[in-house]
Amino acid sequence: EVQLVESGGGLVQPGRSLRLSCTASGFTFDDYAMHWVRQVPGQGLEWVSGISWNSGSIGYADSVKGRFTLSRDNAKNSVYLHMTSLRAEDTALYYCARERQQLALYDAFHMWGQGTMVTVSS
Amino acid sequence: DIQMTQSPSSLSASVGDRVTITCRASQSISIHLNWYQQKPGKAPKLLIHGTSSLESGVPSRFSGSGSGPDFTLTISSLQPEDFATYYCQQSYNPPLTFGGGTKVEIK
Repeated sequence: EVQLVESGGGLVQPGRSLRLSCTASGFTFDDYAMHWVRQVPGQGLEWVSGISWNSGSIGYADSVKGRFTLSRDNAKNSVYLHMTSLRAEDTALYYCARERQQLALYDAFHMWGQGTMVTVSS
Repeated sequence: DIQMTQSPSSLSASVGDRVTITCRASQSISIHLNWYQQKPGKAPKLLIHGTSSLESGVPSRFSGSGSGPDFTLTISSLQPEDFATYYCQQSYNPPLTFGGGTKVEIK
């Protein structure tokens, strides 16, 4: 089955760290760029970060730059978002998404996971 | 950063109505404009990429057009399953910004 499964969310105190994982199945993972998009419940979508198929290019939203690090392990069909210095405003549902085209970067998001919730609160 | 301004933020329509949603980019994005549909409790679903290319399996009542800075999503005859929130997104340059969303509700 073609799918993305996120994990690692939870309740964390401000200033602490958390690592989100997204594991893919059903397609050739190392052919595709991957992204994280977050959504505060009841609000809109915000792109967080994206990584090319070969990890050669990584981009971040200004709101997370310097605090979040995106990486991937193609041998494990997984992408990881390491979040540090977490703030209340990072509270959101975090979606993993795959791009539409192979061997591209910055294209439409063809496939999405169901998301993992991150709550930053003391 | 490229700002995407979507309008309206919400609309009420009846089954069978023609619905148009607009997205304006703050700078040139060529044709790199995508549309997503999101239903409550679900992940977004890609409807249209590259301004006007319909994703496989998406009904033909959905169409996209535009040439910058204004882009349009049109639903030619609204169906019950189309009541949802729609988002535009530019994939021209990072950060890959989304519009604020348009909630399509039942009149």
